[in-house]
Amino acid sequence: SQQGEEDPQALSIQEGENATMNCSYKTSINNLQWYRQNSGRGLVHLILIRSNEREKHSGRLRVTLDTSKKSSSLLITASRAADTASYFCATENRMDSSYKLIFGSGTRLLVRP
Amino acid sequence: DTGVSQNPRHKITKRGQNVTFRCDPISEHNRLYWYRQTLGQGPEFLTYFQNEAQLEKSRLLSDRFSAERPKGSFSTLEIQRTEQGDSAMYLCASSLKGVSSYNEQFFGPGTRLTVL
Repeated sequence: SQQGEEDPQALSIQEGENATMNCSYKTSINNLQWYRQNSGRGLVHLILIRSNEREKHSGRLRVTLDTSKKSSSLLITASRAADTASYFCATENRMDSSYKLIFGSGTRLLVRP
Repeated sequence: DTGVSQNPRHKITKRGQNVTFRCDPISEHNRLYWYRQTLGQGPEFLTYFQNEAQLEKSRLLSDRFSAERPKGSFSTLEIQRTEQGDSAMYLCASSLKGVSSYNEQFFGPGTRLTVL
């Protein structure tokens, strides 16, 4: 079963606006990773934030992590039509020696031109 | 292209047939994972290899499923006696175990299986 819950499930915004997606998880983690998936395609790694980090930036992406609340957010600034995709958070759990990723159910983002 | 590759990209089969998928990881990566993704859901872990050793299998992996990674390079995932419920995208990912505390996984494009 999946650990993460993402909110909202779907988001529709106008090009140029910011998009914020939230992710909650249940166990202690080593890190949390965000992935993007275009329709019917594989996953593209966006950003990884470690459990001892609180905020990380990469281009137009900003990720925050609050381990006390077991939650993370992904902010995409100045969105573009090409950002239309599904976005997944995935956690690597501290007690898991396989380092497998546990994914949330994803947020489907539509950026209208 | 030095990314993770998967073949075939699409497979349509009749119920009861066997299918085999292949994953070629990034060459220096020693960890390989298989995940399954159904429509509208996030990927779910199936199994994990470190080099040629299969170290963990999910309860999702019934006895009809078998995975191998001979010589610690490419991997195959076989499904015997396919059922309609096996229809999904099968994703492979690889990573490099190192001294760092994190483990970035790189995904292939997936194999989409349709069981009629």
